[in-house]
Amino acid sequence: QSALTQPASVSGSPGQSITISCTGTSSDVGGYNYVSWYQQHPGKAPKLMIYDVSNRPSGVSNRFSGSKSGNTASLTISGLQAEDEADYYCSSYTSSSTDVFGTGTKVTVL
Amino acid sequence: EVQLVESGGGLVQPGRSLRLSCAASGFTFDDYAMHWVRQAPGKGLEWVSGISWNSGSIGYADSVKGRFTISRDNAKNSLYLQMNSLRAEDTALYYCAKDHFPRATPAPFDYWGQGTLVTVSS
Repeated sequence: QSALTQPASVSGSPGQSITISCTGTSSDVGGYNYVSWYQQHPGKAPKLMIYDVSNRPSGVSNRFSGSKSGNTASLTISGLQAEDEADYYCSSYTSSSTDVFGTGTKVTVL
Repeated sequence: EVQLVESGGGLVQPGRSLRLSCAASGFTFDDYAMHWVRQAPGKGLEWVSGISWNSGSIGYADSVKGRFTISRDNAKNSLYLQMNSLRAEDTALYYCAKDHFPRATPAPFDYWGQGTLVTVSS
């Protein structure tokens, strides 16, 4: 159950697009279309942003989108806004019938 | 409105036990799997354990297997985590989280509590 690998930090200017990667193995990310993404602001509980690779829950901005290729999933934030500055975590279902989170990525809006 | 309220955290010595609770409201509790997720101070999220709607399926992270036990009481709309043989590395904020889809496995976590802090130290 090793954590999925994410870049420690990603930054962009307002209005730009950024992409966060999430790399796992064929036993988790690559084996299932059950990848989710969570946003966490400091001192707050995580918020579900994307589920099942590319689906957005009701109320989440369409500036957030997800995709997957092989063992790597990606979260793209388009039209970056100041409020998007937060930590982002991916997660995946695994072949052990457990869940595993990514190492987390700090998004900075320049 | 969905509410998840964790309790039971505190300061405990290494090797001792602690029981966390999560009181749920605002949804049909016995239709949803529930999970515990923890976050060490300044660190990332770690899935700890999950239990299906009817307690028929239970899973644990390797880091807690054999020491922690998850359970639920659907009559009381409550989720529990019994933590035994606690270690310093178990120090974290423990969140209770709800599955997004009823009676489905797997499912993402759509509601989270605010967490209860567990500190393991002598």
